[in-house]
Amino acid sequence: DTAVSQTPKYLVTQMGNDKSIKCEQNLGHDTMYWYKQDSKKFLKIMFSYNNKELIINETVPNRFSPKSPDKAHLNLHINSLELGDSAVYFCASSQDPRGLSGYTFGSGTRLTVV
Amino acid sequence: DQQVKQNSPSLSVQEGRISILNCDYTNSMFDYFLWYKKYPAEGPTFLISISSIKDKNEDGRFTVFLNKSAKHLSLHIVPSQPGDSAVYFCAASGASGTYKYIFGTGTRLKVLA
Repeated sequence: DTAVSQTPKYLVTQMGNDKSIKCEQNLGHDTMYWYKQDSKKFLKIMFSYNNKELIINETVPNRFSPKSPDKAHLNLHINSLELGDSAVYFCASSQDPRGLSGYTFGSGTRLTVV
Repeated sequence: DQQVKQNSPSLSVQEGRISILNCDYTNSMFDYFLWYKKYPAEGPTFLISISSIKDKNEDGRFTVFLNKSAKHLSLHIVPSQPGDSAVYFCAASGASGTYKYIFGTGTRLKVLA
């Protein structure tokens, strides 16, 4: 019974397409995140939601739009995909916005834009 | 401008010995630090944390040390086991007034049987 699950695990798509990655957590956590791990292995935060409210919005292109229909779900929609969007995207959740007990991460979605 | 650095990309240690993973940071406003372990094709898993009001935190085989004056923290694993072979990330937060963690680029630990 996966705590933080993201789908799909792999996504290969052409430039210019629009795609979504879904994330769900069954831990009852209040806060959810999207992180991007690039080719240099940097893990960088993109967005954070606390109880469906956006609390962190890093400088990412506005082609990226998170949506949180409820506090157990945080989806990531990407418009007009570009080659540079190729990366592994991780969803995560934590009990509190500070993440003092650490995050629980999903297993990642490897996005390849061709 | 990488505020959290793990300067050793890889480390090999014999089973049963101590593994020491290092992490340096540049921003003195960081006040909370976490260590994560990551296996291939999985997400990072939280290991241990430390607040800047402490200089040591221990959890079983894992101990994190914080040296605020040197802006340095380290993770000690004793004794090291083959199952500890993974990539280890340190992360720091508190600098910007938001709850954003800055991650290091990771150190790949290989524990040799």
